[in-house]
Amino acid sequence: DAGVIQSPRHEVTEMGQEVTLRCKPISGHDYLFWYRQTMMRGLELLIYFNNNVPIDDSGMPEDRFSAKMPNASFSTLKIQPSEPRDSAVYFCASSFIGGREKLFFGSGTQLSVL
Amino acid sequence: AQSVTQPDIHITVSEGASLELRCNYSYGATPYLFWYVQSPGQGLQLLLKYFSGDTLVQGIKGFEAEFKRSQSSFNLRKPSVHWSDAAEYFCAVVGYGGSQGNLIFGKGTKLSVKP
Repeated sequence: DAGVIQSPRHEVTEMGQEVTLRCKPISGHDYLFWYRQTMMRGLELLIYFNNNVPIDDSGMPEDRFSAKMPNASFSTLKIQPSEPRDSAVYFCASSFIGGREKLFFGSGTQLSVL
Repeated sequence: AQSVTQPDIHITVSEGASLELRCNYSYGATPYLFWYVQSPGQGLQLLLKYFSGDTLVQGIKGFEAEFKRSQSSFNLRKPSVHWSDAAEYFCAVVGYGGSQGNLIFGKGTKLSVKP
């Protein structure tokens, strides 16, 4: 298996623009997670899905952030409009049985909002 | 609410020396505990996990961790560090009976290895 695949690897955009991050989880995994990593706040859980259904989005910082999982092999995290404080590394992870089992992480998307 | 504290932001050890990274958790019941490692520019990789049973758990790459309920700790150890162990290490907790997805990470400890 190719592992969790995230795209793009790097994204540089200007404040106010829409940003879409993409994730392809490992085939057969029932859970998909979106994390954000910054120096100040560490790794924060933004949202997670079980069988394509959002279960907990309490970590999504504000309405500018939205996430979808239209099918078992694809998820997006969208920021509209983007702000400089959104600059971070965004990770997608997937697993068989949620957080109590091993999470497989993608390589992340480095987002810079100018 | 559950939380994880890693008191050391950055640790430097000499190659061949022993290593202990500290982790303290806060949770009212039996937790599921994990250590993950992150190499530069990469995602996280699971080193080991504890759910129940033997409080000393073995992981990959020669790492082990000991669960101490009385101290609410889950420290990571390695008897002899290799240069390739230089990375950032994250302790994490999921509460038993809590949300399946609620995996909470500590802020990490960066490990540097001197030759």
